[in-house]
Amino acid sequence: EDQVTQSPEALRLQEGESSSLNCSYTVSGLRGLFWYRQDPGKGPEFLFTLYSAGEEKEKERLKATLTKKESFLHITAPKPEDSATYLCAVQAGNAGNMLTFGGGTRLMVKP
Amino acid sequence: NAGVTQTPKFRVLKTGQSMTLLCAQDMNHEYMYWYRQDPGMGLRLIHYSVGEGTTAKGEVPDGYNVSRLKKQNFLLGLESAAPSQTSVYFCASSYLARIYEQYFGPGTRLTVT
Repeated sequence: EDQVTQSPEALRLQEGESSSLNCSYTVSGLRGLFWYRQDPGKGPEFLFTLYSAGEEKEKERLKATLTKKESFLHITAPKPEDSATYLCAVQAGNAGNMLTFGGGTRLMVKP
Repeated sequence: NAGVTQTPKFRVLKTGQSMTLLCAQDMNHEYMYWYRQDPGMGLRLIHYSVGEGTTAKGEVPDGYNVSRLKKQNFLLGLESAAPSQTSVYFCASSYLARIYEQYFGPGTRLTVT
C-alpha cells in the first residue's frame, strides 16, 4: 500500500528563521512527487513537480528536493505570508491516474 | 475565467438525507476529481472522471455516486448521508497530460447530524 507521511504536523517559525518540511514515502515505482500549498478555507494550489532523486525545484523562498525515500521543502527566510499548510502527494507506478496525499504540515510564521 | 467552482459552500444534513454537490470548471480539463479532507487524514480521492460519461472509483468510494454528463461538470451524490461523511469536500480538475497539476475548488463543508 502506498504511504505518504509528512512531518512535523505543525511548525512555528519566526520571520526570517529558515527550516525544512519533510515528506517520506513508500510507493511501488514512484512516477512523481508533488508539493501543494493550502491556505485556510481554500483548496490546495500546485507548487512543484519532482520526478527523480537529486532533482530540485525553486520558487521564491521555497526549494523542493527529492531523494529515493523522501522529499524536503526548504523555506529560506520565511515571511508571514508563507503561513499555510503544505501538502505532499505522490503518483505511484501502479496507481494509474490517482495521487496519494500526505496529511500536511501546517506552517505558521510569526512577524 | 472562474477556474473550479463548487456549490454549495456549506450544508448541514440529517442522517439519511440525500444531496448533490456540483463542481464546474471552465478550463476545458479532461480529468475531474472529488476528494474529501478530514483532520489528520489528508486528502482522499472518492471518485474521478477521465472524460465525459466516464467515472472511476478512488480510494474511498463507498456511500457516494458521481456523474459527468458534460465535460465541464462533475456531480457528487450522497444517497443516504451518515455522520461519517461529515467532511470538507474538494473538487479538482486537470489536463490529461498533467494529472499532477490539479486545480482545486474552494471546498464544501458538509456536516451530517
